[in-house]
Amino acid sequence: GAVVSQHPSRVICKSGTSVKIECRSLDFQATTMFWYRQFPKKSLMLMATSNEGSKATYEQGVEKDKFLINHASLTLSTLTVTSAHPEDSSFYICSARLPRAPYEQYFGPGTRLTVT
Amino acid sequence: GESVGLHLPTLSVQEGDNSIINCAYSNSASDYFIWYKQESGKGPQFIIDIRSNMDKRQGQRVTVLLNKTVKHLSLQIAATQPGDSAVYFCAENAGGTSYGKLTFGQGTILTVHP
Repeated sequence: GAVVSQHPSRVICKSGTSVKIECRSLDFQATTMFWYRQFPKKSLMLMATSNEGSKATYEQGVEKDKFLINHASLTLSTLTVTSAHPEDSSFYICSARLPRAPYEQYFGPGTRLTVT
Repeated sequence: GESVGLHLPTLSVQEGDNSIINCAYSNSASDYFIWYKQESGKGPQFIIDIRSNMDKRQGQRVTVLLNKTVKHLSLQIAATQPGDSAVYFCAENAGGTSYGKLTFGQGTILTVHP
């Protein structure tokens, strides 16, 4: 149980275009999902908290207009990187929290974004 | 701001040895800690967790120790296997306004030699 998927697993896009990454909880409903960013050989950095039915909460320094988050249903959150630039290239990972276990997060497999 | 850090960025062990991965945290308000394993190109995988009202917790081949006095967390892996090779992260939850959010440490690369 507690499986989280991400799509796509890898994406290459041209500078200036937008890319959407999906995060799905497959066997449970997640009112809260999290989006992280990870650079090579670095740790995970929380970007934002995605709450179903309300606006996402962004961490300090993360541009909300750059990284659009939509939590459309209890099993789906999307992250759209708008007007992507090479410096946005990174590994993006989502996690979903179990409804009655607020401390437990289950992570997706990640999405490798490369902006050329 | 407060953060979670690790003493050793890399650890190499022989198959069958016990491994100890350390983590120092600075937020005394943190009340929940988790160890994750991350293999190359994958998302973090839950290993074991511990609440601040405990000082030790055991799982299958893994033990987490928490020393709140010195704000130190460790992960012990018994009889380390090549499949244990990965990056290990500790993470903390600070509660309060950070309820439910995790702050990750820098990670330790564990390499197990057959």
